[in-house]
Amino acid sequence: DTGVSQNPRHKITKRGQNVTFRCDPISEHNRLYWYRQTLGQGPEFLTYFQNEAQLEKSRLLSDRFSAERPKGSFSTLEIQRTEQGDSAMYLCASSSGLAGPHGETQYFGPGTRLLVL
Amino acid sequence: AQTVTQSQPEMSVQEAETVTLSCTYDTSESDYYLFWYKQPPSRQMILVIRQEAYKQQNATENRFSVNFQKAAKSFSLKISDSQLGDAAMYFCAYLPTGNQFYFGTGTSLTVIP
Repeated sequence: DTGVSQNPRHKITKRGQNVTFRCDPISEHNRLYWYRQTLGQGPEFLTYFQNEAQLEKSRLLSDRFSAERPKGSFSTLEIQRTEQGDSAMYLCASSSGLAGPHGETQYFGPGTRLLVL
Repeated sequence: AQTVTQSQPEMSVQEAETVTLSCTYDTSESDYYLFWYKQPPSRQMILVIRQEAYKQQNATENRFSVNFQKAAKSFSLKISDSQLGDAAMYFCAYLPTGNQFYFGTGTSLTVIP
């Protein structure tokens, strides 16, 4: 296992189209997080899963955004009716969720860079 | 509100010299974690160093060390013997136990040969 992977790495789409991103966390990590990062800013939290349960969602996650983690392993993030303001890097991270600092540490994937034309 | 402030958008350091990146945070929690992550250009975020708030001893990882001042809510990163590969965007992050990360806006570090 080589870490968190995300696909695709880049996505260009036209305004109004739907897009879906995939994240594969580190094996046996039961927590999975989605963040959005715009140019010159730090990542902003979108949502997180404990196994298959979505436990928290940010107010940034509008109704056009939906995330799933159906079997508690990989996760998908879908954006419907994309807008130019959705252009950003979408980062996925995972953590083991075990007690203590090692369990709390989040490991990040390479991100999916979305450009909405 | 839980916020993280990195007041230095850009820093530069001569190769082999030492540089300190500053970070302050705002919280009413007593138990939390603090992290520094490094994000090289077009590459993924990498953990640099981690500090538990309940530990008074400052964390160190080889050339990287922190100065954690809990009362002042300050968490600075010191990079000793800077190398060209240290050039990156550095993000300070605050993590309340079991919750989401709050990131600062980052400091872009340039290493001058």
